[in-house]
Amino acid sequence: DQQVKQNSPSLSVQEGRISILNCDYTNSMFDYFLWYKKYPAEGPTFLISISSIKDKNEDGRFTVFLNKSAKHLSLHIVPSQPGDSAVYFCAANPSNTGNQFYFGTGTSLTVIP
Amino acid sequence: DTGVSQDPRHKITKRGQNVTFRCDPISEHNRLYWYRQTLGQGPEFLTYFQNEAQLEKSRLLSDRFSAERPKGSFSTLEIQRTEQGDSAMYLCASSLAGGARETQYFGPGTRLLVL
Repeated sequence: DQQVKQNSPSLSVQEGRISILNCDYTNSMFDYFLWYKKYPAEGPTFLISISSIKDKNEDGRFTVFLNKSAKHLSLHIVPSQPGDSAVYFCAANPSNTGNQFYFGTGTSLTVIP
Repeated sequence: DTGVSQDPRHKITKRGQNVTFRCDPISEHNRLYWYRQTLGQGPEFLTYFQNEAQLEKSRLLSDRFSAERPKGSFSTLEIQRTEQGDSAMYLCASSLAGGARETQYFGPGTRLLVL
């Protein structure tokens, strides 16, 4: 059963505009969330994380928002650049079971020049 | 390059053969993870080590799969009697335990094709 869901398999955005990638989760024990970016033929690269004690974390062009009551998080990329074109995975870590990360199925972002 | 490395990057084998993959983590990292990723899916956890101790195993890890980390540094993942359903990307990640919540850093993966 998929505990972390990314319901949009793909997203296209014009260069310079905002990209918003969404992620929903079902397990209320998840308290740490991460976003990874993956290029073809490479492993996932860590992008940004957020703990459940926060509702926002920002790093340069990347901001992650967490809505605990809705069990929803989103990644905002502003402004989007062609080099941001990749598959983005949301991952979650529960507080009660070791260090297993649960990943979503990914959203393929294409930034159009 | 001080990132996570995996070898080989690609492996093609015939059904029923055994295969072994190697992962070298970031040198100061004491935790090492194995994940499997199939097409259209995110990485799925298989197992993890803290130093040389294997602390968690997923139910996805059938008895044909075995992982070791004998000296707490590199790790191997062996699949015995491979099946076509084992075809996937096998990802290794490492992290440093302690303090704030950890971040796992991934290697490039080993893509396995079982014919």
